[in-house]
Amino acid sequence: NAGVMQNPRHLVRRRGQEARLRCSPMKGHSHVYWYRQLPEEGLKFMVYLQKENIIDESGMPKERFSAEFPKEGPSILRIQQVVRGDSAAYFCASSPSPGQQGGEKLFFGSGTQLSVL
Amino acid sequence: AQTVTQSQPEMSVQEAETVTLSCTYDTSESDYYLFWYKQPPSRQMILVIRQEAYKQQNATENRFSVNFQKAAKSFSLKISDSQLGDAAMYFCAYRSPEIQGAQKLVFGQGTRLTINP
Repeated sequence: NAGVMQNPRHLVRRRGQEARLRCSPMKGHSHVYWYRQLPEEGLKFMVYLQKENIIDESGMPKERFSAEFPKEGPSILRIQQVVRGDSAAYFCASSPSPGQQGGEKLFFGSGTQLSVL
Repeated sequence: AQTVTQSQPEMSVQEAETVTLSCTYDTSESDYYLFWYKQPPSRQMILVIRQEAYKQQNATENRFSVNFQKAAKSFSLKISDSQLGDAAMYFCAYRSPEIQGAQKLVFGQGTRLTINP
């Protein structure tokens, strides 16, 4: 059973370009979380999604950032018109539904390092 | 809002010795969860140990144990018989009880642990 898969591992963008980060949750997991880690800091919650629904986006910047988790395919974190301050590691985590075995655990991917030139 | 503070940016220990990493948190909730995560250079977030606030007994996982002081809002991690593979960033994290299945974690700033051979 593969873990949480994130790609690309490294992404370089110039200011003003768009960044698309992908996350495939563990098989059978229907809950996805995105976190951002700035250099030398802890992870900060951005958004929580279930299939086709955004449940909590209280940590997402109001502009330029969006996330989706379609019925089919990976979850996508999209950053439009990137700026240097967006440079960070972006982590995805997944979990089963709360009632399922292991539902209380979060499983993290290895992150995508976004560098904005 | 809950906050998590790790007051030790860096710690070092001799191989085979014992080291304790500090963590304090602030919350008005009575029921919650606390975690320690390890982040090696590979960037993978690895769950080390988990504590439920309603349990008085301190959690242990092999060489890793915690000292959970609920009244003091303190949650330190003790690593016994330190090994070179323990070298990593260690993050303390807080989680409220689930709301709509959400598992939002609040992370501390991290402690970089170095193991001296």
